Amino acid sequence: AQTVTQSQPEMSVQEAETVTLSCTYDTSENNYYLFWYKQPPSRQMILVIRQEAYKQQNATENRFSVNFQKAAKSFSLKISDSQLGDTAMYFCASPGEYGNKLVFGAGTILRVKS
Amino acid sequence: AAGVIQSPRHLIKEKRETATLKCYPIPRHDTVYWYQQGPGQDPQFLISFYEKMQSDKGSIPDRFSAQQFSDYHSELNMSSLELGDSALYFCASSSGQDLYEQYFGPGTRLTVT
Repeated sequence: AQTVTQSQPEMSVQEAETVTLSCTYDTSENNYYLFWYKQPPSRQMILVIRQEAYKQQNATENRFSVNFQKAAKSFSLKISDSQLGDTAMYFCASPGEYGNKLVFGAGTILRVKS
Repeated sequence: AAGVIQSPRHLIKEKRETATLKCYPIPRHDTVYWYQQGPGQDPQFLISFYEKMQSDKGSIPDRFSAQQFSDYHSELNMSSLELGDSALYFCASSSGQDLYEQYFGPGTRLTVT
């Protein structure tokens, strides 16, 4: 079975500082995407960033960037210059076997403090 | 930009009743996914459709059924509702069978009393 592991149930960071959320995954696919989703208190699922496995360059979207280590099956999310609006649950997601369904990690609650 | 639309946003039903959740994907998206998120849990995949055909099936109870229509909207039908069905139900859509981004709707919060 596909697994996605987020080992940090909760994290806190001061406003304007940098925080890194960890994720490891397991997949039998050779070509795949990895995703980070943000779920704020509104419960909306918002795509933050995606990484294509065949690309060696780490993806970056403004203040969000990833550290993708394919051999280690590690996919961490770095948030720079943290803002109060970044407070949310963050889910790492990987494709499941034999299909396009997403398998999510258990999530990391991030609290940004002023 | 147009997003995934789900209706209703909130639904309250009693045990043993039926519920129908609707999903309207982003225009030109041909793939729809349904996920169930229980309280304090991560989303769990239920079922997906590509070009109106079921493409994958997850942990969807036999009491639930779903389909995708010619206009690509999808409906999730839930019968004999149980208290444990209370959850947030997300619909997501994507373009094609490849592993592109799945864009999620706002979800339907179902409460079974």
